[in-house]
Amino acid sequence: QKEVEQDPGPLSVPEGAIVSLNCTYSNSAFQYFMWYRQYSRKGPELLMYTYSSGNKEDGRFTAQVDKSSKYISLFIRDSQPSDSATYLCAMGSGGSNYKLTFGKGTLLTVNP
Amino acid sequence: DAGITQSPRHKVTETGTPVTLRCHQTENHRYMYWYRQDPGHGLRLIHYSYGVKDTDKGEVSDGYSVSRSKTEDFLLTLESATSSQTSVYFCAIRGQGENIQYFGAGTRLSVL
Repeated sequence: QKEVEQDPGPLSVPEGAIVSLNCTYSNSAFQYFMWYRQYSRKGPELLMYTYSSGNKEDGRFTAQVDKSSKYISLFIRDSQPSDSATYLCAMGSGGSNYKLTFGKGTLLTVNP
Repeated sequence: DAGITQSPRHKVTETGTPVTLRCHQTENHRYMYWYRQDPGHGLRLIHYSYGVKDTDKGEVSDGYSVSRSKTEDFLLTLESATSSQTSVYFCAIRGQGENIQYFGAGTRLSVL
């Protein structure tokens, strides 16, 4: 079993839709959870960072962590064509030189 | 971009030649990381550094070496490039006092 599983998609939605992106993980030592957005031919950029279970909201984006189920989600409300990108989940345990484990990414296309 | 510069941005080389990629940061971050990104594999850690002259291997370190002789520069060397090392290479730094990594723009390497 891989440490982090993420459905690669691709996911195609109409503009204005609510998007749900998900990752599951197996390592119970993970304490920090991140979502990165990566546009084509660019580097990943941090979108959301959460430490504890529960929800964190930032504008149209909500990150959700359920440590008991080892499941994290990213919700995008009122999706826009500019949200079209690959979304990567990442997790870390704090120790071990702050290394992160990444999901393989989900390619999202928002159609106007 | 967290003050990270990767060079070159693009490189085409031949099998068997040595290649060095450079990551330069301007904000005195202690931790630096080299990843490669390939379709179907996501981001995989090659090597990382936790200080000047302090480096360690990641999950895909075979065929790669690194050096860090000063805080601001982290070099990744392919001693004898192979076609399997054709990839996009990203450098990242750990934010000060954070468990978050910030990425450079990437180097696209083709080994023919």
